[in-house]
Amino acid sequence: DTEVTQTPKHLVMGMTNKKSLKCEQHMGHRAMYWYKQKAKKPPELMFVYSYEKLSINESVPSRFSPECPNSSLLNLHLHALQPEDSALYLCASSQSVGGRQPQHFGDGTRLSIL
Amino acid sequence: GQQVMQIPQYQHVQEGEDFTTYCNSSTTLSNIQWYKQRPGGHPVFLIQLVKSGEVKKQKRLTFQFGEAKKNSSLHITATQTTDVGTYFCAGPPGNQFYFGTGTSLTVIP
Repeated sequence: DTEVTQTPKHLVMGMTNKKSLKCEQHMGHRAMYWYKQKAKKPPELMFVYSYEKLSINESVPSRFSPECPNSSLLNLHLHALQPEDSALYLCASSQSVGGRQPQHFGDGTRLSIL
Repeated sequence: GQQVMQIPQYQHVQEGEDFTTYCNSSTTLSNIQWYKQRPGGHPVFLIQLVKSGEVKKQKRLTFQFGEAKKNSSLHITATQTTDVGTYFCAGPPGNQFYFGTGTSLTVIP
């Protein structure tokens, strides 16, 4: 069982749609992450939140908009995505940022853009 | 920019054979972590190494951090079918966290 919960597990959307991915953790972690993973590739860091504030944006296109409403929740708002954005989107959390703590991953949302 | 390369990219072994994956960073890492991702699954943390030259064991898995803290290895003794998956090293230069390119392990029964 994963301690980081992501919904939905699968999402199919058109290029003009707006949707959101959700992530929740109740481990008291203060760092949360969004990663994008294409098939047979490593996870690529997109965003890092530390104490509910955006601390790193890895030059992600503005059609991806992260939000951290509170210390347990992380959202990723999607708008006007492109077919190349089809991928597995992983959320993770750790006790703090700095890369010195293990990251706990959710099962991911498998996103397909038509 | 930061690069963390792993070799080999793919490895097929007979069950019972040993397996090793190597991780090399272009910069010094404060620590290195190893993750395993089963097919269709998500990365799962295995271990963290912090000290130069550190060696840690978990049952049949042996992890090593290089003296210069720029490389690491994972060795599995007598592989089993449950070892199937992709093994990633990962390390932080600062607050970022970069995954290595990964080694995909297939174990043939």
